Amino acid sequence: AQTVTQSQPEMSVQEAETVTLSCTYDTSESDYYLFWYKQPPSRQMILVIRQEAYKQQNATENRFSVNFQKAAKSFSLKISDSQLGDAAMYFCAYTEGAGGTSYGKLTFGQGTILTVHP
Amino acid sequence: DAMVIQNPRYQVTQFGKPVTLSCSQTLNHNVMYWYQQKSSQAPKLLFHYYDKDFNNEADTPDNFQSRRPNTSFCFLDIRSPGLGDAAMYLCATSRDIARGQETQYFGPGTRLLVL
Repeated sequence: AQTVTQSQPEMSVQEAETVTLSCTYDTSESDYYLFWYKQPPSRQMILVIRQEAYKQQNATENRFSVNFQKAAKSFSLKISDSQLGDAAMYFCAYTEGAGGTSYGKLTFGQGTILTVHP
Repeated sequence: DAMVIQNPRYQVTQFGKPVTLSCSQTLNHNVMYWYQQKSSQAPKLLFHYYDKDFNNEADTPDNFQSRRPNTSFCFLDIRSPGLGDAAMYLCATSRDIARGQETQYFGPGTRLLVL
């Protein structure tokens, strides 16, 4: 079974600084997708960034970028120029590609609480 | 704006009293999911609909049922809520289970309190 591990229960960063959240996963599949979701306290879960395993290029979305290391099964999220609004629980998630037995189902990591200090 | 809507945002029920949570979407997605999320934990998938096809997770208690009368609406029924069912319930949708359509979009959630 696929597993997703976030080894950092909590992280903190100063406003305007850069922070990296770690995620590792375990799968025997070659076709899959990885996501980072952000969930502010008592608020909606929002997609931050998405990565297709078959793409070598790391995904970026404005201040958010990933370091996707397929061989190492690592998928870290870098937040540049951190803002107070970035404070939230961040979940790393995995889903199989087409043809997988668990296709369409998200496997989540345990989450990392990010605190941003002014 | 296209979105996933959940009502109510907060629901209080009594132990053993049936409760229904609703989810609607204007994204025209054909896959809808229900998750249970307890405090500071990752969401746990309860079941999902692919169009009208219902797919239950093996460890979802029988106490939890779902209905999807049409593409836009999906309901979560808890037949006899226990104290352990107090949680946030998240609805999510995705366009299709096909390459490039795997991203799930979440609603704001319904927080259920069982007294």
